[in-house]
Amino acid sequence: EDQVTQSPEALRLQEGESSSLNCSYTVSGLRGLFWYRQDPGKGPEFLFTLYSAGEEKEKERLKATLTKKESFLHITAPKPEDSATYLCAVLNNAGNNRKLIWGLGTSLAVNP
Amino acid sequence: EAQVTQNPRYLITVTGKKLTVTCSQNMNHEYMSWYRQDPGLGLRQIYYSMNVEVTDKGDVPEGYKVSRKEKRNFPLILESPSPNQTSLYFCASSLYGEAEGYTFGSGTRLTVV
Repeated sequence: EDQVTQSPEALRLQEGESSSLNCSYTVSGLRGLFWYRQDPGKGPEFLFTLYSAGEEKEKERLKATLTKKESFLHITAPKPEDSATYLCAVLNNAGNNRKLIWGLGTSLAVNP
Repeated sequence: EAQVTQNPRYLITVTGKKLTVTCSQNMNHEYMSWYRQDPGLGLRQIYYSMNVEVTDKGDVPEGYKVSRKEKRNFPLILESPSPNQTSLYFCASSLYGEAEGYTFGSGTRLTVV
């Protein structure tokens, strides 16, 4: 069964304390892996798409990487405004039955 | 500004009273989708549409209807709402489909009593 698991569920960091969020997946062929940021009560905001193992994408303090089994979202020197829930989603490569599978997210709090 | 607009933002209704949540996008996107988000269950797809007059069921379509008569609009209809449809609903769109990042609306928080 296709599955996406994010860890940790919650993470609290001090401002400037770098860390990584994990998204591990088991799918029948990977078509793409997506990272989103969601602020409380708002819709998810698209961050990155990764398509193949070894690929990396960067945006400000965020860097996403991809292997054949997992993706990491590295946060370098985070600021309080980086506090949000980060969602990972994986699109399987199942032809007409392809499907986007969502993880439950990692809730990140960055203290000043 | 490129955006997906949902209305209303908040809605409290009674069991069995038909309601419609509207969704409109101004980006000429072909693909639109409805999700519900519940604690511990995450985002679950209700219905999606690949283009005008083309709609299909997602993972949790029971109790919902959709229509896509125009490219920009994708309303979600609850013919007879029940308390288990109390949830946070999101409309999303992308240019061609699931292989691209979605633009999400701001959400509709629905409470059915």
